[in-house]
Amino acid sequence: SQKIEQNSEALNIQEGKTATLTCNYTNYSPAYLQWYRQDPGRGPVFLLLIRENEKEKRKERLKVTFDTTLKQSLFHITASQPADSATYLCAWVRGGYQKVTFGIGTKLQVIP
Amino acid sequence: EPEVTQTPSHQVTQMGQEVILRCVPISNHLYFYWYRQILGQKVEFLVSFYNNEISEKSEIFDDQFSVERPDGSNFTLKIRSTKLEDSAMYFCASSEEGGHPAYEQYFGPGTRLTVT
Repeated sequence: SQKIEQNSEALNIQEGKTATLTCNYTNYSPAYLQWYRQDPGRGPVFLLLIRENEKEKRKERLKVTFDTTLKQSLFHITASQPADSATYLCAWVRGGYQKVTFGIGTKLQVIP
Repeated sequence: EPEVTQTPSHQVTQMGQEVILRCVPISNHLYFYWYRQILGQKVEFLVSFYNNEISEKSEIFDDQFSVERPDGSNFTLKIRSTKLEDSAMYFCASSEEGGHPAYEQYFGPGTRLTVT
């Protein structure tokens, strides 16, 4: 079955630097990958979606890439701020279905 | 900005009791979902609901669980006989459309269920 794998270890970076988070998938290439932000005790908040045939997607300081050869998506936050500190979830939705399959998430801590 | 709301924010119940978790999805949305997150674990899909019936469910969503849209605004999750392992954060979500991964799901703040 399809699996979404994220580095569950926390990532600490200095304010102003670019944070890069990794999402790997197994088996077949998902048609779409989504990225969410989750703050402690809160529900996930949708950030970006990237399609299989897109190499890169941008939204303000956020950038997502999709490499079907490496079976990997990278999520970048440029000019990071302490307010970006949260857990970031990679998620997969299979075409024709509504179920969102989430990875464990990577906790990002931006240090002032 | 419209948002999904959930009540209560925290529910404590004894093992074997029935609980009902309530959600008010965004008003023009047509697809509704329940997810759960056990502390420290992944967010897991439970069920999706469209046109007054379940459209998709996971293996977690067994006979102890049921969903209902009793009126035009509420969407509920019922657990008939709670177990200790049902303790988790339960998230409701809604989307304008479904059956296509390009459609964004909007999540509520969650209800923390504690079974003692």
